[in-house]
Amino acid sequence: AQKITQTQPGMFVQEKEAVTLDCTYDTSDQSYGLFWYKQPSSGEMIFLIYQGSYDEQNATEGRYSLNFQKARKSANLVISASQLGDSAMYFCAMREVFSGGYNKLIFGAGTRLAVHP
Amino acid sequence: DAGVIQSPRHEVTEMGQEVTLRCKPISGHNSLFWYRQTMMRGLELLIYFNNNVPIDDSGMPEDRFSAKMPNASFSTLKIQPSEPRDSAVYFCASSNGRWNSPLHFGNGTRLTVT
Repeated sequence: AQKITQTQPGMFVQEKEAVTLDCTYDTSDQSYGLFWYKQPSSGEMIFLIYQGSYDEQNATEGRYSLNFQKARKSANLVISASQLGDSAMYFCAMREVFSGGYNKLIFGAGTRLAVHP
Repeated sequence: DAGVIQSPRHEVTEMGQEVTLRCKPISGHNSLFWYRQTMMRGLELLIYFNNNVPIDDSGMPEDRFSAKMPNASFSTLKIQPSEPRDSAVYFCASSNGRWNSPLHFGNGTRLTVT
């Protein structure tokens, strides 16, 4: 079963506008973590923002914020004041616990964002 | 502070050849992950080490793939023999194992098997 779903294969936004990238997840755990990564065309994976399942406040990091709706199991990334350099692939990921108390990160399929001038 | 270092950045090899990918995690990190990225399958976790011990290798596609972590500062992913369908970008990532800590990724190795 798909654990992380990113329903938007591609999105575009005008420069300086805000954009929301969707992410829904599936878990029966009470404790989990959600991450967003950016992958520009150069290929590296850049960590953007983290949200813990028990965090009461939505996470924010500069122009990035996370719209966390626990009951809906969604963790959407909001990028404010888009810049041309925001054009990239964006991945949502969830930290999943497995036997022995170890944990690993599983990724969604990604959303490709294009920022237009 | 150096990040995760992978080598080589690019590897082109012929089908049937052995390929070895290398990774140096961030100093002090006790968790190391190998991922494979393809257009068709996205980012797949291949294997996960904790304190140099393989914890979960359920993502390793088949016996042609093997991974080792002889010490805390070095890991290898080996493919023998390589096949064209192994062509992908292979990422190594490390973390300090804390729940809220992100994975730090290397720049990846782009493998092409002809």
